[in-house]
Amino acid sequence: NFMLTQPHSVSESPGKTVTISCTRSSGSIASNYVQWYQQRPGSSPTTVIYEDNQRPSGVPDRFSGSIDSSSNSASLTISGLKTEDEADYYCQSYDSSTWVFGGGTKLTVL
Amino acid sequence: QLQLQESGPGLVKPSETLSLTCTVSGGSISSSSYYWGWIRQPPGKGLEWIGSIYYSGSTYYNPSLKSRVTISVDTSKNQFSLKLSSVTAADTAVYYCARAIAARSPRVDYWGQGTLVTVSS
Repeated sequence: NFMLTQPHSVSESPGKTVTISCTRSSGSIASNYVQWYQQRPGSSPTTVIYEDNQRPSGVPDRFSGSIDSSSNSASLTISGLKTEDEADYYCQSYDSSTWVFGGGTKLTVL
Repeated sequence: QLQLQESGPGLVKPSETLSLTCTVSGGSISSSSYYWGWIRQPPGKGLEWIGSIYYSGSTYYNPSLKSRVTISVDTSKNQFSLKLSSVTAADTAVYYCARAIAARSPRVDYWGQGTLVTVSS
């Protein structure tokens, strides 16, 4: 099966833009949709992006997703950073009846 | 509003079997539109998919856990369950039950609140 690799941590200042990457180890990133989940401390994850670039209702348009076949990776971009965006972010995809999560990225907004 | 609630022992002895149940309210577990799954998170670590089940009873397991995992569904009680055998300290984690939309790439749209299971003698 494949793995999804994320940076362990990223940090940026309020108001700035940050991008979190998620690289697929084998197989095409475009072969199955990528989701992004946000998890605040002590809480269950929630979806911020699904099907590569779709936002659930209630998620601000500061959150966007994309995929890049040349680097075989997906990205989550958060613009106009707010302190409330500080959380762990996980990418997730699927292949051969298996759900795969990335290792997670801790976003610090300082 | 759909709700999922995990229940089961918070402490399991090494070598024994971990058993958890997820009770679904506000929706039917018999819908063909969804998978029902278990995901765990060791303290301070990331999310790991354990396995999932379709209302028909078809099951799908993480290859790394497959030999120890059984997931079942009880449509009469609107519940699904997880059994993980021969547990060790490495199985200590918060266990989440979840609903996933049965699409080209299943995605979780509802999560339970999670329950901490500690493996210790």
